[in-house]
Amino acid sequence: DGGITQSPKYLFRKEGQNVTLSCEQNLNHDAMYWYRQDPGQGLRLIYYSQIVNDFQKGDIAEGYSVSREKKESFPLTVTSAQKNPTAFYLCASSISGDNYNEQFFGPGTRLTVL
Amino acid sequence: GQNIDQPTEMTATEGAIVQINCTYQTSGFNGLFWYQQHAGEAPTFLSYNVLDGLEEKGRFSSFLSRSKGYSYLLLKELQMKDSASYLCAPVDSNYQLIWGAGTKLIIKP
Repeated sequence: DGGITQSPKYLFRKEGQNVTLSCEQNLNHDAMYWYRQDPGQGLRLIYYSQIVNDFQKGDIAEGYSVSREKKESFPLTVTSAQKNPTAFYLCASSISGDNYNEQFFGPGTRLTVL
Repeated sequence: GQNIDQPTEMTATEGAIVQINCTYQTSGFNGLFWYQQHAGEAPTFLSYNVLDGLEEKGRFSSFLSRSKGYSYLLLKELQMKDSASYLCAPVDSNYQLIWGAGTKLIIKP
């Protein structure tokens, strides 16, 4: 079955700790995205990658970092510099990032920082 | 700036029809997506419009007017499982999806 997986579904961390959220896809998609969703707000783009070994900041990149060493994987690290990290994090992919392609989403990771 | 406007919440009755409106202002335009998102789950694709007019797909239809910066999603024969948030997302000149906050649709028996 092709798709996008994110793990874990729920994650709890203490304030001041870095945490890495996993995102893997086997759709052979070139482009991958990380979004943050807060109650009552639209999805906000954190980082995106149109090709392996390349990524760009989205609208709210501060306090986050990513890597794209493999086509299938796009992990997101939430650092201690992120002031309000508690949120629902969604990873998505599309065939390419330079066209109006449908984005396919993973199930999401709900991060709670205590 | 870029702006998407959708109603926050709507209520409808099972079996009825509901129209969810979306107005948008974006830097360039390369079509508009509608996604459905059940609470706590990932968004799933419903429709994509790039030309003016109505696109029908089963119980769901989506309309676009580029000159008015306006789209709507029409849901017919509502079922309880249609209770979800509906997200409007126009595509800007950089092919980025600009997401609205979504409309929470509540279906009552």
